[in-house]
Amino acid sequence: EPEVTQTPSHQVTQMGQEVILRCVPISNHLYFYWYRQILGQKVEFLVSFYNNEISEKSEIFDDQFSVERPDGSNFTLKIRSTKLEDSAMYFCASSDGAYSYEQYFGPGTRLTVT
Amino acid sequence: GEDVEQSLFLSVREGDSSVINCTYTDSSSTYLYWYKQEPGAGLQLLTYIFSNMDMKQDQRLTVLLNKKDKHLSLRIADTQTGDSAIYFCAAKSTTSGTYKYIFGTGTRLKVLA
Repeated sequence: EPEVTQTPSHQVTQMGQEVILRCVPISNHLYFYWYRQILGQKVEFLVSFYNNEISEKSEIFDDQFSVERPDGSNFTLKIRSTKLEDSAMYFCASSDGAYSYEQYFGPGTRLTVT
Repeated sequence: GEDVEQSLFLSVREGDSSVINCTYTDSSSTYLYWYKQEPGAGLQLLTYIFSNMDMKQDQRLTVLLNKKDKHLSLRIADTQTGDSAIYFCAAKSTTSGTYKYIFGTGTRLKVLA
């Protein structure tokens, strides 16, 4: 069964450093998403992406964040200058259409900022 | 804004039924979901219900939707120790023309042997 994959599973970085979290969505999917979950808190929407541009972003997704689909298979989330409060689990998701009933979630990347 | 609320904890004995409740605010949510998250793992879709349905049953899982009260519940029959996990309710938000999910806080289910 096709699945969304994410790498790395755990990333440790120092405050102020740039990180790139990588996702490989399901191959025929067209809509891509990033969510994050701070430990013990809700899963929060960050951004949705379609047709090589951002469809919607939340208040969390400020200028420090960017997303890219650098090739036909990867979908990345970049945090330019990490802060302690960026420590969270980051989930990538994809769906085959805006009207699809399901977004398929990856296993997540745990980001720890020290 | 849109919000989804759940109780934080539920403890049941093995073999009993578990009922996890959720309320949501966006009356235009077309789909409502239940996800399961085991420790250190991602989000696993358990089941979903379309907003024009009142009930959906899938093996041990029963989802009830009261659209008037914006209340969703997940019943797990014959709860097993392997059902211990965090259960997230999510609503598919259709505002702004995009389709993001709004998640609840998650309910931590503990099954006692």
